[in-house]
Amino acid sequence: EVQLVESGGGLVQPGGSLRLSCAASGFTFSSYEMNWVRQAPGKGLEWVSYISSSGSTIYYADSVKGRFTISRDNAKNSLYLQMNSLRAEDTAVYYCSSGWYWWGQGTLVTVSS
Amino acid sequence: DVVMTQSPLSLPVTLGQPASISCRSSQSLVYSDGNTYLNWFQQRPGQSPRRLIYKVSNRDSGVPDRFSGSGSGTDFTLKISRVEAEDVGVYYCMQGTHWPWTFGQGTKVEIK
Repeated sequence: EVQLVESGGGLVQPGGSLRLSCAASGFTFSSYEMNWVRQAPGKGLEWVSYISSSGSTIYYADSVKGRFTISRDNAKNSLYLQMNSLRAEDTAVYYCSSGWYWWGQGTLVTVSS
Repeated sequence: DVVMTQSPLSLPVTLGQPASISCRSSQSLVYSDGNTYLNWFQQRPGQSPRRLIYKVSNRDSGVPDRFSGSGSGTDFTLKISRVEAEDVGVYYCMQGTHWPWTFGQGTKVEIK
């Protein structure tokens, strides 16, 4: 069974940092592109970042460029999102998705003082 | 950025009746490889999104055949031939042709 399990969310003060993880199982993780998508409370979906299967190609939404860093460890079947200089507007549920077909359950990030 | 505009934003439907959601892009979604990277996602209340349709009209595995996608260029449609109770939720189109990838605002489908 395919599983994507996000972790690392929580409450953080503005200007703080968090590192999200996405643990993959049940499929050949190293063969799939991965994305982070977020959803602010009561709002729609927003694409955040993309990483190719090898990790050699990376893209970010303008709203997070320079503050967030996506990475992956294919040996550990894991995807990461390092989030720095967090702002109130980064408050959202963060989902990882593999190839847009498989999605995790999401992890909530709340940026508030 | 490519703007994806969905209509309507709210769609009350009667069980067993058809439903249709429009999605228009501010630029053509035809990629240089000839493909059109337009996806449709369903998000049921309290759940993660689920892809229904990829490349305009291809249904994902396990998606009921009452769901269909069509369109070309900048104009796309998701149709539900006969709405069932489990179809309640928010539907999003998303373009994967131009960076940054962008979603529509979402269309909330509810039962009358």
